[in-house]
Amino acid sequence: LAKTTQPISMDSYEGQEVNITCSHNNIATNDYITWYQQFPSQGPRFIIQGYKTKVTNEVASLFIPADRKSSTLSLPRVSLSDTAVYYCLVGDDSGGGADGLTFGKGTHLIIQP
Amino acid sequence: KAGVTQTPRYLIKTRGQQVTLSCSPISGHRSVSWYQQTPGQGLQFLFEYFSETQRNKGNFPGRFSGRQFSNSRSEMNVSTLELGDSALYLCASSLTGNEQFFGPGTRLTVL
Repeated sequence: LAKTTQPISMDSYEGQEVNITCSHNNIATNDYITWYQQFPSQGPRFIIQGYKTKVTNEVASLFIPADRKSSTLSLPRVSLSDTAVYYCLVGDDSGGGADGLTFGKGTHLIIQP
Repeated sequence: KAGVTQTPRYLIKTRGQQVTLSCSPISGHRSVSWYQQTPGQGLQFLFEYFSETQRNKGNFPGRFSGRQFSNSRSEMNVSTLELGDSALYLCASSLTGNEQFFGPGTRLTVL
């Protein structure tokens, strides 16, 4: 599985747009990029997944450049409840789940009033 | 549709004991994976079961084992507990590989 690098922590304020970038230089052709959110003492929650260009859902957008060596999770108009750890994962989307999901250290996002 | 459930939510054991944790996946999900989360090591993959067979295994000692039943429910067992086994144990179920649905976890404390 491709290794990912993301900032250890970020701070922002309520109402702002937050962009968290993840580097994955060794991404393979059949790899997808997936982001999870985790609150303290809870399991991670799937946010969004993409392969290339841009993906948007009701909670976030995911921007992936043409070379796919990085990706940016965009959270529009954050609130205090968005304070959490955000994990970027890269792997294929086969049904096998080979080696499980490889979670790095994640980005601890802190939203202030 | 009900989410992934794990029991018990909290557990306190002493060194040398064994423990069994239980996970009920989302209905229809046949893949169940287990993870260990600690402040120092983060989230680490233990193993994955699919249709009652262990399909993948992480880098953990043989004291960690699991099984899956015909209804896809899974159990994880840790024998001869060590202090370092204190962690949040998470179970996740999925239909495909990457989008996994996690349960609330079992907080295990080893004294």
